[in-house]
Amino acid sequence: ETGVTQTPRHLVMGMTNKKSLKCEQHLGHNAMYWYKQSAKKPLELMFVYNFKEQTENNSVPSRFSPECPNSSHLFLHLHTLQPEDSALYLCASSHPDDTGELFFGEGSRLTVL
Amino acid sequence: AQRVTQPEKLLSVFKGAPVELKCNYSYSGSPELFWYVQYSRQRLQLLLRHISRESIKGFTADLNKGETSFHLKKPFAQEEDSAMYYCALSTGGFKTIFGAGTRLFVKA
Repeated sequence: ETGVTQTPRHLVMGMTNKKSLKCEQHLGHNAMYWYKQSAKKPLELMFVYNFKEQTENNSVPSRFSPECPNSSHLFLHLHTLQPEDSALYLCASSHPDDTGELFFGEGSRLTVL
Repeated sequence: AQRVTQPEKLLSVFKGAPVELKCNYSYSGSPELFWYVQYSRQRLQLLLRHISRESIKGFTADLNKGETSFHLKKPFAQEEDSAMYYCALSTGGFKTIFGAGTRLFVKA
């Protein structure tokens, strides 16, 4: 499959659970991003990886732990989340020479009970 | 601080009417600005960017550095233009900041 694929599309978890979101891109890009989209708020940049190295951590709480094993895969590990962390988590990728054009996945809708 | 402001949460126009979605930004450096669009049940995608200065689907946007604005315009709205529109500011590197979005509804 081409483009940016995110799994799962929907996730419900309790505050004590550990879960992970996965993102995969087949566009040949080297930069990958996690954004958080909460209701009535702008998209918030969380993390950026370029060639597997983290280049941005936008003061994200440690209960969110990203992992980028290679340029095609990006994970967001979730642990002891709070109900206010419920949101749509969007993954994106870009070519490092054109970081303005982001290619987004469809998102993972997370609900924390 | 870097910020993108879209003052209208919802904009409703009739088909064939002109439409303007407002975007203002705050950034002390040289900005690179974009409009992204999300149609119903589709993913967020790039619509246009200021450096290309081209019209996409009849939409244009001009960067006005004096007014720090990048408004999106179309002279004659179509029903298929109904979507969520996000203005975005790239501050270099890998940081792109988005506005809160404006939902455009084009009525028949």
